[in-house]
Amino acid sequence: QVQLVESGGGLVKPGGSLRLSCAASGFTFSDYHMSWIRQAPGKGLEWVSYISSSGRTIDYADSVKGRFTISRDNASYLQMNSLRAEDTAVYYCARVRYSYGYGFDYWGQGTLVTVSS
Amino acid sequence: EIVLTQSPGTLSLSPGERATLSCRASQSVNSNYLAWYQQKPGQAPRLLIYGASNRATGIPDRFSGSGSGTDFTLTISRLEPEDFAVYYCQQYGSSPQYTFGQGTKLEIK
Repeated sequence: QVQLVESGGGLVKPGGSLRLSCAASGFTFSDYHMSWIRQAPGKGLEWVSYISSSGRTIDYADSVKGRFTISRDNASYLQMNSLRAEDTAVYYCARVRYSYGYGFDYWGQGTLVTVSS
Repeated sequence: EIVLTQSPGTLSLSPGERATLSCRASQSVNSNYLAWYQQKPGQAPRLLIYGASNRATGIPDRFSGSGSGTDFTLTISRLEPEDFAVYYCQQYGSSPQYTFGQGTKLEIK
């Protein structure tokens, strides 16, 4: 069965860095595009970043552009630099299903990132 | 940037009733790239509908989606106790690549 497991979250001071990882199993990872989506406490969903199956196409939300970097090898990663209080959220990785109109058909359980002094 | 506005913010209904949730876009959306998700407390979202009207694998047929252009609807024909949750619409295809609506909370009356 498809599983996505995020790790790397935690408490970090403003201006600090974290690297999130998303381990995938149960499917051929290299065949799928991946994304990161976040959810601030008590708030809605916000798309953060996308990486194509080949890694050649990458995109970011304006709110994180220039600070976050997405990458992949046999897992997906989100390098987060210059963190701000407003980056505090649960971060989910999700599989992008091309045949589902690029919808997110599987999600991890999320990892909490807290940015606070 | 395409903004998705969901209404109502909260919908109070009883099990067995019909639920109609709305998602309105600030400009036309390709219906192939309009999806709906369900999220229960403490859980990750679950894909319900893709391409505006197609149920994802394993989704019961009481869930249906419709719409085109700027107006989309998620309908739950007869509410089951497990359907009370928050629902989000989402579109793909405009920069930024994805946007979500702010969500509709479906609560038990």
